[in-house]
Amino acid sequence: GQQLNQSPQSMFIQEGEDVSMNCTSSSIFNTWLWYKQDPGEGPVLLIALYKAGELTSNGRLTAQFGITRKDSFLNISASIPSDVGIYFCAGQYSGGGADGLTFGKGTHLIIQP
Amino acid sequence: EAQVTQNPRYLITVTGKKLTVTCSQNMNHEYMSWYRQDPGLGLRQIYYSMNVEVTDKGDVPEGYKVSRKEKRNFPLILESPSPNQTSLYFCASRLSWGVTDTQYFGPGTRLTVL
Repeated sequence: GQQLNQSPQSMFIQEGEDVSMNCTSSSIFNTWLWYKQDPGEGPVLLIALYKAGELTSNGRLTAQFGITRKDSFLNISASIPSDVGIYFCAGQYSGGGADGLTFGKGTHLIIQP
Repeated sequence: EAQVTQNPRYLITVTGKKLTVTCSQNMNHEYMSWYRQDPGLGLRQIYYSMNVEVTDKGDVPEGYKVSRKEKRNFPLILESPSPNQTSLYFCASRLSWGVTDTQYFGPGTRLTVL
């Protein structure tokens, strides 16, 4: 399947700091998705992006669909303890077989009070 | 409440002993799939189903089987589990294959094969 490079792998930050993570691909996608996984739970969708250049916010979260359709970033402003978890990007393409949904390897966010 | 449920949540078994992990969704979704999550590898798809009686392989199908006899259920079957199938498994569903449909994940099943 297609490969997504998600970075950073982990982040150790202080409460109140802003966070930025991104995903890049060698192939284009039609949709970019960002998920968060809390410990012991399944991933939950945070933001979905459907058009190149699209910038979407969900509370303190902001994500953008790159113009080239090969990348996306997620920003979290003024982090709080409940932001701790693993964040996954996922890209989806409409052509080809299988699911068409490829996940990044995740960014572990750890917040120090 | 709209949800995807999996059972069991935790399972320890031995090599070669057949097991089934159940998955059920109450949202009348056509599309369901199974993923495994391993450290450093993220989520990888095992099998998916576009509708009843329609299933297909994902990226890592070896050693697994699935069935989709009813719309709401999509069990994952390990006929002869091996230690390399020790992993965290997630079932997921969405309304259809379509790119605009939100995918919902179950809570996960942590499987250990000794």
